[in-house]
Amino acid sequence: GQNIDQPTEMTATEGAIVQINCTYQTSGFNGLFWYQQHAGEAPTFLSYNVLDGLEEKGRFSSFLSRSKGYSYLLLKELQMKDSASYLCAVRDGDYKLSFGAGTTVTVRA
Amino acid sequence: ETGVTQTPRHLVMGMTNKKSLKCEQHLGHNAMYWYKQSAKKPLELMFVYNFKEQTENNSVPSRFSPECPNSSHLFLHLHTLQPEDSALYLCASSQVIAGSYEQYFGPGTRLTVT
Repeated sequence: GQNIDQPTEMTATEGAIVQINCTYQTSGFNGLFWYQQHAGEAPTFLSYNVLDGLEEKGRFSSFLSRSKGYSYLLLKELQMKDSASYLCAVRDGDYKLSFGAGTTVTVRA
Repeated sequence: ETGVTQTPRHLVMGMTNKKSLKCEQHLGHNAMYWYKQSAKKPLELMFVYNFKEQTENNSVPSRFSPECPNSSHLFLHLHTLQPEDSALYLCASSQVIAGSYEQYFGPGTRLTVT
């Protein structure tokens, strides 16, 4: 079966940095996605890693280590609008994504 | 309309009702998906259609019946549901070509079964 773990909740202060970890054990691996989902809204794409290393995109960065089955999403200069759920998902087939349960990030003033 | 749209946004139905959820994508994608999202649980993939052909059925009970009449439209027909089927049902689409695997999600239908 697929096993994708991420913390349930994290809280941080506006302007700070938060790192959301994701570990996975899946039957196949063809890449890892991070999605952001605000309450009551659709998940929206943040990043996609298929090779080891760090991908930076503005205030958000994502890291992948395939040998360790590990990824993290780094959110810098946190803003109130970053309060949301962050979903880690592994592409383990041509079409199929297996998701973690999501990490709810609360940003406090 | 842009992106992926879903109707209705909210649905309350009794266990003996029959209803359908509709999804439409305006992105020219060739694959469409149904997911179930329950509180504090991972998104569960239900069905995948690629070029209108069903390529995945994740052991979903037969009270959920998908239909994909063309590559832009996807339906989920519901009948004799159970209260535990109450959840957010998300539709997504993607263009399945090398190097591009991002799925675009619709806003979901919040389903309550009474």
